[in-house]
Amino acid sequence: EAQVTQNPRYLITVTGKKLTVTCSQNMNHEYMSWYRQDPGLGLRQIYYSMNVEVTDKGDVPEGYKVSRKEKRNFPLILESPSPNQTSLYFCASSPLDRGVPDTQYFGPGTRLTVL
Amino acid sequence: QKEVEQDPGPLSVPEGAIVSLNCTYSNSAFQYFMWYRQYSRKGPELLMYTYSSGNKEDGRFTAQVDKSSKYISLFIRDSQPSDSATYLCASSSNTGKLIFGQGTTLQAKP
Repeated sequence: EAQVTQNPRYLITVTGKKLTVTCSQNMNHEYMSWYRQDPGLGLRQIYYSMNVEVTDKGDVPEGYKVSRKEKRNFPLILESPSPNQTSLYFCASSPLDRGVPDTQYFGPGTRLTVL
Repeated sequence: QKEVEQDPGPLSVPEGAIVSLNCTYSNSAFQYFMWYRQYSRKGPELLMYTYSSGNKEDGRFTAQVDKSSKYISLFIRDSQPSDSATYLCASSSNTGKLIFGQGTTLQAKP
């Protein structure tokens, strides 16, 4: 089954404790991206990757890191989480059409709480 | 000012109504426009994708882009209770950076 998987689905942690949220896709998509979703603010892009070893900042990259060592995986790293990073996080992957991710497939989401 | 603005609603309509959802954007470089639907506790799913100006129709859904006024619309004909969801517009130039609107919550009541 074609899908984007994220782990963990739920995470409660404390300020400053490094964490990684994994994202994996089995559709051989070039493009992958991370978003956070907050009430009243909609979906905001954190980082995206157009291909292996190519990553770029989205709208809200501060406090996050990513890596794209393999095509299928795109982990999101919070080196020192803070309470304002409490949010619902989505990973997405897409084929590229004329360099644009035209059909993003989203994962199920990771609900993160930072105390 | 956000690059993509969307009225969050909520919008409540009777079953069978025609629904109009709208967004405005400010970046003239945007050429690609998308509409996503998100059910509660789920990830967004793509509904419509359009390039540049014009209309695109898919079943009961029609997406419309007016680049002269920087206006994006999604029309839903014969709305059904199953259309109750949050609808998100998104725009992009020819990069991988996507800007989403805040989302509009729609409730189609039987």
